[in-house]
Amino acid sequence: ETGVTQTPRHLVMGMTNKKSLKCEQHLGHNAMYWYKQSAKKPLELMFVYSLEERVENNSVPSRFSPECPNSSHLFLHLHTLQPEDSALYLCASSQDWTSGSYEQYFGPGTRLTVT
Amino acid sequence: GQNIDQPTEMTATEGAIVQINCTYQTSGFNGLFWYQQHAGEAPTFLSYNVLDGLEEKGRFSSFLSRSKGYSYLLLKELQMKDSASYLCAVRDSNYQLIWGAGTKLIIKP
Repeated sequence: ETGVTQTPRHLVMGMTNKKSLKCEQHLGHNAMYWYKQSAKKPLELMFVYSLEERVENNSVPSRFSPECPNSSHLFLHLHTLQPEDSALYLCASSQDWTSGSYEQYFGPGTRLTVT
Repeated sequence: GQNIDQPTEMTATEGAIVQINCTYQTSGFNGLFWYQQHAGEAPTFLSYNVLDGLEEKGRFSSFLSRSKGYSYLLLKELQMKDSASYLCAVRDSNYQLIWGAGTKLIIKP
């Protein structure tokens, strides 16, 4: 595997379910990110981890819970979601989260539908 | 508040040139990025500007004017595979990336 991988690619869940999204980066980067992408809206940064420490949490509802067990893996645990949470969830990584020039590398995303 | 503006959609002809504009108002500036995103795929990095001027990379060029809060992405010799959304993002004083909603570029034969 190369780059940033995400599983599952598609997920349909009911509002009472609990599920987890998984992200893995094979680039040796120190920073990892979760984004939400809704149709015709800007990417919304949800969480940032640097060297396994959470450094940003942009007022995300508690029904989204991130976990970063090591610098290569990132999870997003989901529970009691709402239909408006249906979106594409993108994981990204970068060499460092504070250095200006480092671009982010994105995974293919998980298309989440909440019914 | 922080804001990135770019056109929602543009149409151009194969072989032609197109310019996608991006204006921004952010708290601080630590660089501007352009990404390409094909439908159903991940965004991929195209260019980075931190100083005023033009950065050229093959058929793609990106320009920045910090005093005007303005950038553009120039695509030359358009190909059908260039049909995609183009995302503008600015890194603010807290090093967060602020994203525009993207410009959907449609290429016609």
